[in-house]
Amino acid sequence: QKEVEQDPGPLSVPEGAIVSLNCTYSNSAFQYFMWYRQYSRKGPELLMYTYSSGNKEDGRFTAQVDKSSKYISLFIRDSQPSDSATYLCAKDIGGATNKLIFGTGTLLAVQP
Amino acid sequence: DADVTQTPRNRITKTGKRIMLECSQTKGHDRMYWYRQDPGLGLRLIYYSFDVKDINKGEISDGYSVSRQAQAKFSLSLESAIPNQTALYFCATSDSGGSSYEQYFGPGTRLTVT
Repeated sequence: QKEVEQDPGPLSVPEGAIVSLNCTYSNSAFQYFMWYRQYSRKGPELLMYTYSSGNKEDGRFTAQVDKSSKYISLFIRDSQPSDSATYLCAKDIGGATNKLIFGTGTLLAVQP
Repeated sequence: DADVTQTPRNRITKTGKRIMLECSQTKGHDRMYWYRQDPGLGLRLIYYSFDVKDINKGEISDGYSVSRQAQAKFSLSLESAIPNQTALYFCATSDSGGSSYEQYFGPGTRLTVT
């Protein structure tokens, strides 16, 4: 079993829809959970992070961690065509190593 | 100008050839990483370097080597390329004095081995 599992999609939604992207993880020995966004032909960029558990909101985006079920979620409200990208969840391995483990990524298409 | 640059952006090479991918950064970060990205497998760490004299293998280092020529430069070599090394390669950087969760990625090199 991979440490971080992610449904690869693709996921296609109409503009304005609420999008839910999810990952599961297997190793609890870390503290930071992240979502990176990758546009076509670009490198990934950090979108959001959460520390430990709970929710974090940034505009239309909400990152959520449920440690009891080992679930990481990203919610996008009022989705826009510009949100079309691959979304990668990630976790650090702890110990201030800066090493990250990534999920496989979910390809999202928001149709105008 | 981009903070993390990679050259070349695209490369087609033949089986058995030696190839070098280069990465430069102007962010002043001490840590640098090489990943490969494959459909269905995501980003996998090949090598990482915490400073010029500290280089470490990642999860898939076989068939690859690296050189950290300076704090700002980190190159990845394929000594004898094989078709299953066809992938998208990314260089990334991070700051040991900064957050443990943020890495800054270059634009990627698309490598095809025929």
